[in-house]
Amino acid sequence: DGGITQSPKYLFRKEGQNVTLSCEQNLNHDAMYWYRQDPGQGLRLIYYSQIVNDFQKGDIAEGYSVSREKKESFPLTVTSAQKNPTAFYLCASSLGAYLPYNEQFFGPGTRLTVL
Amino acid sequence: AQRVTQPEKLLSVFKGAPVELKCNYSYSGSPELFWYVQYSRQRLQLLLRHISRESIKGFTADLNKGETSFHLKKPFAQEEDSAMYYCAPTRQGNTPLVFGKGTRLSVIA
Repeated sequence: DGGITQSPKYLFRKEGQNVTLSCEQNLNHDAMYWYRQDPGQGLRLIYYSQIVNDFQKGDIAEGYSVSREKKESFPLTVTSAQKNPTAFYLCASSLGAYLPYNEQFFGPGTRLTVL
Repeated sequence: AQRVTQPEKLLSVFKGAPVELKCNYSYSGSPELFWYVQYSRQRLQLLLRHISRESIKGFTADLNKGETSFHLKKPFAQEEDSAMYYCAPTRQGNTPLVFGKGTRLSVIA
């Protein structure tokens, strides 16, 4: 599997600490996304970015922050303000956020556990 | 509110039996619809999209605008079909995909 990489695979954080999850893609995609996956909840959109230096909030952005300084990178910071941060986080990319027939390509995910 | 509903959390079928994974959406107009699949220890990946009208791994999905449904079907289930399946329509205005909560398909030998 190539294309989209996420690191680390597992991450442990103490309560009250901020932590940054990495997402990199070499597909030359303009759009990138962050989702949170919880059992029984499906995938919920946290943030997405259509282009460098631009991003929009998704459905559950509170307690999270992102940056998009480079086309290939879209890091997600889980702040201490996020009340239930323990989850599986998925990063994805696509040619464009608003293109029709817009297939998303997913990374392997990062499992964050708050101790 | 724009929503997508997958009513079954878990669906168990015997090998060789027909499979139907249900998906209903509440968007008006003509959304684009996708099915994504996540096999054990693999990445989430696109299974099929309604616009292409193709059959992937024996699965098909027909858009029924009257019923606002996009059910995924396969006539004969195989053990390797066991996975988590997500229905994903685009929102109005073609904003990013909205994923349903998923249905876990278990095919019993």
